Amino acid sequence: DGGITQSPKYLFRKEGQNVTLSCEQNLNHDAMYWYRQDPGQGLRLIYYSQIVNDFQKGDIAEGYSVSREKKESFPLTVTSAQKNPTAFYLCASSMNSWGGELFFGEGSRLTVL
Amino acid sequence: AQKITQTQPGMFVQEKEAVTLDCTYDTSDPSYGLFWYKQPSSGEMIFLIYQGSYDQQNATEGRYSLNFQKARKSANLVISASQLGDSAMYFCAMRETEAGGTSYGKLTFGQGTILTVHP
Repeated sequence: DGGITQSPKYLFRKEGQNVTLSCEQNLNHDAMYWYRQDPGQGLRLIYYSQIVNDFQKGDIAEGYSVSREKKESFPLTVTSAQKNPTAFYLCASSMNSWGGELFFGEGSRLTVL
Repeated sequence: AQKITQTQPGMFVQEKEAVTLDCTYDTSDPSYGLFWYKQPSSGEMIFLIYQGSYDQQNATEGRYSLNFQKARKSANLVISASQLGDSAMYFCAMRETEAGGTSYGKLTFGQGTILTVHP
């Protein structure tokens, strides 16, 4: 079935460690996005990518990095520079960058111990 | 200023009744789109309904309808005949057109409304 797969679903890390969250889609979508959600809050955009080998910062990019080497994949690295990394991370894609709804993965919950 | 405002942190409704979830937005862009998503406790985001700023008619999708009042900048979600499975967090979101005429697809989300359906 077509969709977006995020892994891992739950992740624990110690302070000072980098961690990479995986996002893979088989929908043949051009655009991909990473959002962060804190408890009881809405989603905030971290990074987005319209095409392969191109990505832009969203509203809260500090402490995060991404890559888009393949159309299907858009991994997010939470670096040690991110001061409050504990959150729920959602990856999404859309057919293109100017229309259509976003399709979301099931999310990755990161807890920093 | 908040681009998307959802003023109801929580709403309660009796099963089989209708409920309206409020959403107001702020944009100076003449071309924009409004979305509603449902987030159950599992965390996934489920797309419900879309309204374009130039659409003349209010959008409907099954039991969901969007009460679009452009002059008031409101895009309320109406759920008819509520079901227990409708209990979830509901988010309103907006896509604007960036300078230069492209939108890049990214959505700005409101804070959400938790809907609880009572039997």
